[in-house]
Amino acid sequence: DSGVTQTPKHLITATGQRVTLRCSPRSGDLSVYWYQQSLDQGLQFLIQYYNGEERAKGNILERFSAQQFPDLHSELNLSSLELGDSALYFCASSDWRGGETQYFGPGTRLLVL
Amino acid sequence: QQQVKQSPQSLIVQKGGISIINCAYENTAFDYFPWYQQFPGKGPALLIAIRPDVSEKKEGRFTISFNKSAKQFSLHIMDSQPGDSATYFCAASIRETSGSRLTFGEGTQLTVNP
Repeated sequence: DSGVTQTPKHLITATGQRVTLRCSPRSGDLSVYWYQQSLDQGLQFLIQYYNGEERAKGNILERFSAQQFPDLHSELNLSSLELGDSALYFCASSDWRGGETQYFGPGTRLLVL
Repeated sequence: QQQVKQSPQSLIVQKGGISIINCAYENTAFDYFPWYQQFPGKGPALLIAIRPDVSEKKEGRFTISFNKSAKQFSLHIMDSQPGDSATYFCAASIRETSGSRLTFGEGTQLTVNP
């Protein structure tokens, strides 16, 4: 167990809908990262937050947004969902010293029908 | 643009054999190279990592070999066991003060036959 929790574990929704994925980092970790894992694109970095502030952006679609709250949990919001958004979404966290070791959560499996 | 290329895509090894997975990178600014192991239904877990100032790092049955001039690194799993059957990802990152985003290879599905 990495100490990173993600909810929900599975999510089934329809095209055009909006969903929110939640992540709680390891105790004390200030950095939260979101990754998308799909069959054709592999594991791709989406966005990073550090202590509530956005720090880095990857290949994140404009329909997607994220935030990190004062208690350090993070949410990834996916809107106007398309079939191609079906994937595993992972959250990872690392410690306050800018540590490179990222601890991954169990992921949320999103299926868009 | 794929900055980390991984091969092979899949690998089948007999129990007790050596599993070798290779990765090549393009960005010379990368300064941290981890390998992650992922079991079905689980998130990736750090297996072993190396920095470019070291040519080899060994932890138990797992060894990373690093060739800075060739911009390549590889994972060797000695005495492979059926429990090692998983997907392995190489990755690379650039250290920053608030953390480092990982650029992953495509992954290698390893099967170790008993």
